[in-house]
Amino acid sequence: RKEVEQDPGPFNVPEGATVAFNCTYSNSASQSFFWYRQDCRKEPKLLMSVYSSGNEDGRFTAQLNRASQYISLLIRDSKLSDSATYLCVVNPISGYALNFGKGTSLLVTP
Amino acid sequence: SAVISQKPSRDICQRGTSLTIQCQVDSQVTMMFWYRQQPGQSLTLIATANQGSEATYESGFVIDKFPISRPNLTFSTLTVSNMSPEDSSIYLCSVEQGSANTGELFFGEGSRLTVL
Repeated sequence: RKEVEQDPGPFNVPEGATVAFNCTYSNSASQSFFWYRQDCRKEPKLLMSVYSSGNEDGRFTAQLNRASQYISLLIRDSKLSDSATYLCVVNPISGYALNFGKGTSLLVTP
Repeated sequence: SAVISQKPSRDICQRGTSLTIQCQVDSQVTMMFWYRQQPGQSLTLIATANQGSEATYESGFVIDKFPISRPNLTFSTLTVSNMSPEDSSIYLCSVEQGSANTGELFFGEGSRLTVL
């Protein structure tokens, strides 16, 4: 079983739509959780951390369910510029070997 | 936020040769990380480079294949040795942002390597 699993998509949504991505992780002792964004042929960039209580940053909402080992990212009012691959990232209990998911591809269309 | 410069940005190499990738950071950092992103795959940590000590390699990666230098707090190199087509990948240098070991990383733009 992979450490971090994501639906690869692609998710094709119209502008203005709401879209949700899910991610599951296998290590129940994992400490911290993140969503990164990677544009085509670019490096990953941190989008937001995911806190136990859930957190929101503008149109983006991240949720964590430790009991189900499940992380989600909700994007409201999608923009064309949201088109990218979204990487779910989990920091295990020790070391620096972050576990990256393969990413979920989002395409927002006019 | 840190600014990370990597070079080369891309290269095409013959099998059996070696390539050294350079990573320069605009500020002093304790840890520098080298990741690999193979086509269609997730990012995988190759090694952690500390200044003044040998790099720490992750399972599946060895120093003979991926020697790393860390001569000072702003610079590191990763060499991909005796390359084969399976080494075709994007290699990314990264440093931490914020507190240590939080998982919040800055990445360089990556070095896209194609081995023929």
